[in-house]
Amino acid sequence: NAGVTQTPKFRVLKTGQSMTLLCAQDMNHEYMYWYRQDPGMGLRLIHYSVGEGTTAKGEVPDGYNVSRLKKQNFLLGLESAAPSQTSVYFCASSWAGKRGEAYEQYFGPGTRLTVT
Amino acid sequence: SQQGEEDPQALSIQEGENATMNCSYKTSINNLQWYRQNSGRGLVHLILIRSNEREKHSGRLRVTLDTSKKSSSLLITASRAADTASYFCATVNSGGSNYKLTFGKGTLLTVNP
Repeated sequence: NAGVTQTPKFRVLKTGQSMTLLCAQDMNHEYMYWYRQDPGMGLRLIHYSVGEGTTAKGEVPDGYNVSRLKKQNFLLGLESAAPSQTSVYFCASSWAGKRGEAYEQYFGPGTRLTVT
Repeated sequence: SQQGEEDPQALSIQEGENATMNCSYKTSINNLQWYRQNSGRGLVHLILIRSNEREKHSGRLRVTLDTSKKSSSLLITASRAADTASYFCATVNSGGSNYKLTFGKGTLLTVNP
């Protein structure tokens, strides 16, 4: 049982380059999330998904796109990286309660991205 | 937008002492959760308390919830150096947006040996 895994762990991009971060979970969770964490800012929600084939914008979605073609995978894409996207990115998943409420989230180890 | 706000931002104590962190929030919640993050790692879930609960315990952790004051506290008893970490509260709103958590900025706890 690997839980939530993220690839890659580290990446350095030049401004304008693109990349995709992959998140995978093996707990059959309905909900998946992408966050970024910056010093002094806590975690901010980028995009999330409440089920296979569905995605929605979070608090800071600009410059990112996501896809959830399979229930266990959630991809985060940067089409044209900018220095402001230098951050640590965390993926998380959770199961849904009877009324659709989110319960405890399981986090991946993070991806440290630097855009120069 | 920040829903949960932790207080204090930083806390330094000696091993064996108790540590108390507080969280305030603004809107009605379905549940409130506390997480720990060790430096450079992902967040780890500690405890979840539902809106109709007032107190929960897990090992050395005690969480209280006061919905009338829209506040929660996390108490770590008999702290250890290994408890050094950042602690975050997160809220799940009641109503339509109950599938996502909103995190506060965290409290950095340092436990000195």
